[in-house]
Amino acid sequence: DIQMTQSPSSLSASVGDRVTLTCRASQTIDIYLNWYQKKPGGAPHLLIYSASSLHSGVPSRFSGSGSGTDFTLTISSLQPEDFATYYCQQSYTTPSFGQGTKVELK
Amino acid sequence: QVQLVQAGGAAKTPGASVKVSCKASGYTFTDYYMHWVRQAPGEGLEWMGWISPNSGGTNYAQKFQGRVTMTRDTSISTAYMELSRLRSDDTAVYFCASDLEYGMDVWGQGTTVTVSS
Repeated sequence: DIQMTQSPSSLSASVGDRVTLTCRASQTIDIYLNWYQKKPGGAPHLLIYSASSLHSGVPSRFSGSGSGTDFTLTISSLQPEDFATYYCQQSYTTPSFGQGTKVELK
Repeated sequence: QVQLVQAGGAAKTPGASVKVSCKASGYTFTDYYMHWVRQAPGEGLEWMGWISPNSGGTNYAQKFQGRVTMTRDTSISTAYMELSRLRSDDTAVYFCASDLEYGMDVWGQGTTVTVSS
């Protein structure tokens, strides 16, 4: 099974900050990498698919990059509604999620 | 519109089974895989498996093999996930999710399953 490792586990940031989250796969997954946002009490929402493609309706301040084993999710200017936990997920083989990065208000 | 609606939560005792339903609408149910994902309290997302609503074929995460059964009823566009021999650490919110385009892009609202004696 492919293990997904996210870093950091949590971070504190302010509104307007540029934030970068990292996800690493235990083996190459090409660009089969998706990012989700999860808020307490709600369902996950797809943000980015295929490493860098923005899902319909997702604000352009979200962007993804990477291929192979190393990937990043960047929020260019953090908004109040962006405080949440973010998960990466590989779809190269049997799906698996990273452990999540919680973005908190500083 | 495209949506997945899950039934309400359940309280179970250890050793029992639970069957969670997920009704799809707004798209052709048989055209897209249905995934099941869970989140235990304070934990991350955990993929459990998928079912092909068209063929009924399944792929389960190794962790759940032998305890999970995913089925579907195409006549009512509903997928089911049954988990047996429940333990307290199966207490979680269980989500269904479909990948209509790329990634799991449509999610149910979640079903809370509590396992306690």
